Amino acid sequence: GAGVSQSPSNKVTEKGKDVELRCDPISGHTALYWYRQSLGQGLEFLIYFQGNSAPDKSGLPSDRFSAERTGGSVSTLTIQRTQQEDSAVYLCASSGQGKVNQPQHFGDGTRLSIL
Amino acid sequence: AQTVTQSQPEMSVQEAETVTLSCTYDTSESDYYLFWYKQPPSRQMILVIRQEAYKQQNATENRFSVNFQKAAKSFSLKISDSQLGDAAMYFCALPSPEGETSGSRLTFGEGTQLTVNP
Repeated sequence: GAGVSQSPSNKVTEKGKDVELRCDPISGHTALYWYRQSLGQGLEFLIYFQGNSAPDKSGLPSDRFSAERTGGSVSTLTIQRTQQEDSAVYLCASSGQGKVNQPQHFGDGTRLSIL
Repeated sequence: AQTVTQSQPEMSVQEAETVTLSCTYDTSESDYYLFWYKQPPSRQMILVIRQEAYKQQNATENRFSVNFQKAAKSFSLKISDSQLGDAAMYFCALPSPEGETSGSRLTFGEGTQLTVNP
């Protein structure tokens, strides 16, 4: 596609359920990032994928969060046993090769609401 | 650790007027990039303008320009001839240095909500 695509656009779920968020980056982009945007916390980095290399998971807030990227393209972010503090907008971005001079292109995000 | 600070949570401007959004940052790098992103209610972060630190000339993109003061670590965004469509949250962002394991992960400021009044 022309841009970064994320699904679902909105997700409402009950506390304790697992959720999967999907990101389809721009074709040809090897670098993929997940960020979380929550009220009072701003935008925070979660995880970074570069091609087939091991991801940098240093931003994941707990072991309930995991992510994978299949075939170097589509990525899924999974949150297990969701908590109310997980409510946020989850943004995915991709860039050419993850170089500093390459702007990141963002999707529209997934708004996650935990009841 | 790199930091980015936006000290104006909200700003407003009259249509056709000029507004400046402030950003300060801290980094130990001598060469780096800085970005301004715009986030309208649609949530998508849209790149507005970027500046490379070693370039003396301030970047300009149509009605958007920056005032980059490297010594002061200041990177403000000026919007000229403001339009209703400029209303959005604006974020200043600094990528991680080259070679870090997190690629060029962005450190964002807290954001400035810009209102454009007709």
